[in-house]
Amino acid sequence: QSALTQPASVSGSPGQSITISCTGTSSDVGSYNLVSWYQQHPGKAPKLMIYEGSKRPSGVSNRFSGSKSGNTASLTISGLQAEDEADYYCCSYAGSSLRVVFGGGTKLTVL
Amino acid sequence: QVQLVQSGAEVKKPGASVKVSCKASGYTFTSYYMHWVRQAPGQGLEWMGIINPSGGSTSYAQKFQGRVTMTRDTSTSTVYMELSSLRSEDTAVYYCARVGEMATTGGAFDIWGQGTMVTVSS
Repeated sequence: QSALTQPASVSGSPGQSITISCTGTSSDVGSYNLVSWYQQHPGKAPKLMIYEGSKRPSGVSNRFSGSKSGNTASLTISGLQAEDEADYYCCSYAGSSLRVVFGGGTKLTVL
Repeated sequence: QVQLVQSGAEVKKPGASVKVSCKASGYTFTSYYMHWVRQAPGQGLEWMGIINPSGGSTSYAQKFQGRVTMTRDTSTSTVYMELSSLRSEDTAVYYCARVGEMATTGGAFDIWGQGTMVTVSS
């Protein structure tokens, strides 16, 4: 099963907005409204930022938002802050037996 | 508080097996599925499989079929991931991650262990 496709890197200045795309197929992203996004700082475990494509868990800043159209999901971070600099991964359930597929990850640099 | 605490770092020789543990606390162990995810140095996240701590049923990624075994011990609220026939490419940090409630997390991975570094080297 192929990984979801994400850009390797994105960058933005403090206060700006950036969007990270995550492209899958009709067997994963396109079939399930179960895309999640994770933030990972160096040496740390991933942290859930978005679930079901656009919902934020309690405690996650409203500067983080998600959307989905067809086979592509997106994560938008507005009002960039230095602490947003991290790796971001998308994830989708993919078929029966609760199988999961991750994106390759995107490194966000805050200039 | 809800947490997953994993076992310590391991160094193994090629061909050996490794068994990583993940002890849950702060919630009802048998009510939440658990995934295993690994991350090679400088690489992305890779899904390995999932276990239902209640009945012990499992589902593994095709890549690891035949080499991975996930088990659980309900008496100690611990899940285990054993990977056999280790090779250098298995050098990675291995994470356990809980599947959250559908109502509040859509079944996403809401709690993660701290990770266990497994190094495979001769």
